[in-house]
This record gives sequence, structure tokens and C-alpha cells, in this order.
Amino acid sequence: AQSVTQLGSHVSVSEGALVLLRCNYSSSVPPYLFWYVQYPNQGLQLLLKYTTGATLVKGINGFEAEFKKSETSFHLTKPSAHMSDAAEYFCAVSEGGGSQGNLIFGKGTKLSVKP
Amino acid sequence: DTGVSQDPRHKITKRGQNVTFRCDPISEHNRLYWYRQTLGQGPEFLTYFQNEAQLEKSRLLSDRFSAERPKGSFSTLEIQRTEQGDSAMYLCASSQKEGTEAFFGQGTRLTVV
Repeated sequence: AQSVTQLGSHVSVSEGALVLLRCNYSSSVPPYLFWYVQYPNQGLQLLLKYTTGATLVKGINGFEAEFKKSETSFHLTKPSAHMSDAAEYFCAVSEGGGSQGNLIFGKGTKLSVKP
Repeated sequence: DTGVSQDPRHKITKRGQNVTFRCDPISEHNRLYWYRQTLGQGPEFLTYFQNEAQLEKSRLLSDRFSAERPKGSFSTLEIQRTEQGDSAMYLCASSQKEGTEAFFGQGTRLTVV
């Protein structure tokens, strides 16, 4: 069965600092992996995804993530945080079969950005 | 195209009442998904449709929950005899077909008092 663990329910960084949000997964099949962002009282917006191919994936708003099979990780990074990055971030793994809508989500990491 | 639309955005109901939420997917999206998100948790998959066929419903939380997509376009999620534990954000998503990105709506926030 697939599962996702996000380390750290709350991460705080200063504006301009590196953002690192950690995600580890468990999957019985080659995983499809996703990062979503959620602003208060809003739905989810896809930041980036890994399906096949290049293991370093670039997404919107300057975010990127690297799929590391040996570490079962898919950590999200951004070189320089902006105030507008403050939100909740969710890592997700597909349930399998190539579906990108049947997802197992982690519990989320709330990112705070200090001026 | 305005994206996935959910109605209402907020719903307050008394315990024991029935509620129904509507989701309008992106035009021509064949797949439609429902999720529940409780406070401090990630979204939890409930059910999904391929056109009008409900392909997975074993994850619906109890027999008080049901979903329909009668004409393969919009979908409704009904909760009967609501309980306080049903208070959550209910999210809908749609995708063009299997293997393509799912787009989420803004959700319906349910409060059961």
C-alpha cells in the first residue's frame, strides 16, 4: 500500500532563505509523486510532479523536487523564499496504475516566511 | 474555462440534517474525484467517477455518504444524518482522462453544529 510521510508539520524560514520541505513515500509500484500548495480556505494547486524520466523536476514559482528512489524521498526545495510562499504544502503519491487523481496525501507542512 | 467549481463554498447545518454538495468539473473532463480534508490533515480520497460510472466507492466513509454523476457532467456528494465529525472541507477534482493531471476546486467547507 502507498503512503506518504512529511517530516515537520511546520517550517519557518526567513525571506530569501532556502526552503526545504521533506517528503518520504512508500509504494509497492513505481510511484507517481506530487507536490501541491494550499492557501487558506482554498483548494489545491499543483506545484510539480514526477511520473517518469528525469528525476529532478521543476515546477511553478521556482520550486523543484528530486525523486530519489534509493532514499524513497521527494523533497521540495526553493533557493530563495518569498513572503508569498507562505502556505501549506502537501506531498502525494498516486495509488497506482498511472492515475493522477487517486492520490494518497501526507499530512502537510505549513510554511511560514519571516520578513 | 473557469476551472472546477464547487457549490456552496460554505455550509452550516444542524446535526442530523442531510446536506448535498455540487461539483462542476472542467468541461470535457471525464474523471471526477471527491476528497475530504479535516483540520490539520491532508486530503483523503473518497470516490471517483469515469463519466457517469462510479469506479471506486469503498472509501466512502460510511453508508451515510453517497455520490452521483448522473449524466457524466456535474456530480453531487450527499451526507445523510450529519454528525459533528463530518465537519470538514470537501474537495472535488477533475482530470481529462486517466493518467492526466487532476485540477482541484476550492472546496466546500461543512460545519455541523
